[in-house]
Amino acid sequence: KQEVTQIPAALSVPEGENLVLNCSFTDSAIYNLQWFRQDPGKGLTSLLLIQSSQREQTSGRLNASLDKSSGRSTLYIAASQPGDSATYLCAVKEAGNNRKLIWGLGTSLAVNP
Amino acid sequence: DTEVTQTPKHLVMGMTNKKSLKCEQHMGHRAMYWYKQKAKKPPELMFVYSYEKLSINESVPSRFSPECPNSSLLNLHLHALQPEDSALYLCASSRTGGDEKLFFGSGTQLSVL
Repeated sequence: KQEVTQIPAALSVPEGENLVLNCSFTDSAIYNLQWFRQDPGKGLTSLLLIQSSQREQTSGRLNASLDKSSGRSTLYIAASQPGDSATYLCAVKEAGNNRKLIWGLGTSLAVNP
Repeated sequence: DTEVTQTPKHLVMGMTNKKSLKCEQHMGHRAMYWYKQKAKKPPELMFVYSYEKLSINESVPSRFSPECPNSSLLNLHLHALQPEDSALYLCASSRTGGDEKLFFGSGTQLSVL
């Protein structure tokens, strides 16, 4: 059974720091992995989607990597800003007929001015 | 237009009420989803419509009734809900329901008294 774990559960950093959020999954048979951002009481915004054949994706200050064989993904945020404060969730799309999204519990990020 | 619009943003209802949540997208997406999210938890999939047909029902109680009148609209009809149904209800869409990005609405915060 696929399980997705995100470490750390919470993170507080000063503005300007580069930071890394981690996501691990137990079954390497995946179609893709998505990183989402969620502000309190709001919907989710898809930040980056990495297909299983890809190693990384970049968007602005965000870079996500995928190592399928070791069951790991990282989200790198460069030069963090207070506006980056949110919960970041990763979700893995299972291979096979079901192809459900399996979610991690998220990392709650606070970037302090 | 890359938005998924959900109405209402907030809803308070009694256990005997009937209400509906609405979701609309104009991105030409052919897959639409309902998710339920409790505080500090990841979203839980409820229903998936693919090309206006219900393709997935995650064993949701019959007091929740989805409807997809056309490719741009998705409704969730609520009847005789329980207090434990209080949650953030999120609508999402994707291009075909395959291995592509999910676009979420900002959600309806539902309280059942």
